[in-house]
Amino acid sequence: EAGVVQSPRYKIIEKKQPVAFWCNPISGHNTLYWYRQNLGQGPELLIRYENEEAVDDSQLPKDRFSAERLKGVDSTLKIQPAELGDSAVYLCASSPDVNEQFFGPGTRLTVL
Amino acid sequence: GQQLNQSPQSMFIQEGEDVSMNCTSSSIFNTWLWYKQDPGEGPVLLIALYKAGELTSNGRLTAQFGITRKDSFLNISASIPSDVGIYFCAGPPSGGSNYKLTFGKGTLLTVNP
Repeated sequence: EAGVVQSPRYKIIEKKQPVAFWCNPISGHNTLYWYRQNLGQGPELLIRYENEEAVDDSQLPKDRFSAERLKGVDSTLKIQPAELGDSAVYLCASSPDVNEQFFGPGTRLTVL
Repeated sequence: GQQLNQSPQSMFIQEGEDVSMNCTSSSIFNTWLWYKQDPGEGPVLLIALYKAGELTSNGRLTAQFGITRKDSFLNISASIPSDVGIYFCAGPPSGGSNYKLTFGKGTLLTVNP
C-alpha cells in the first residue's frame, strides 16, 4: 500500500514569495491533515479535512495561509506571501479513523 | 495550550543497551501515542495506548499508559543502530477532539554501534 505522498520535498524561496505544497493521501482515507513542524518541536495541526470539507481550520493563520481539497482526495496548502518565520517542515497526514494518522515525508521550507 | 514534557531531551547509548523515556502532562489524556521520526521523514506510529494502566508491546518496544492518565513511558530493549531517531509522545487531551493531537518536543536517540 502506497503511503502519503508529498511534493516538493524541499523548497527554498525568498520572503514575500508565494509557495504551495501538494499532498496525496493514502487511498481510501477520507480524513486529511496538514501540520507544521518547527525545528526541535513536534508537529502542530494547521487544518483537518473530512472529504472536501475543512472541518477544523482554527489553527490556520488565515491572513497568509490557505488550503483546498477540491475533490476530496489531493490537497494543496499555500502560503502567500511567505515570511521568514514560516521556515519549517510541512507535514501531511491521512487517516481511516480518529485513532491513527499516517504521515507523509513532509516538505522542508526555507524562507530567505 | 496543552503541553507534553518529554525527557530526556536526548540520549546517547551503546548498541545493546535498554532505553527508557517518558512523557508527562499537567492535564489528563485519553490516549497516548508514541511516534518515531527518522531524519527527513514524517512520524511513524509505534504504539497506541487507550486505557489507564495499559501496557503494550511492539517487538522490542514497550509502552505504558500511566495510572494517573498524565504520563506515559516508552522502553526499548536491546537497542540497535536503526533505533536512531526522534521519539515523540502525543495524544488528544481529555475534553478535546480525539483527532487533535498534542505532541511533545521529542527525545533524540543516538545509538553507537
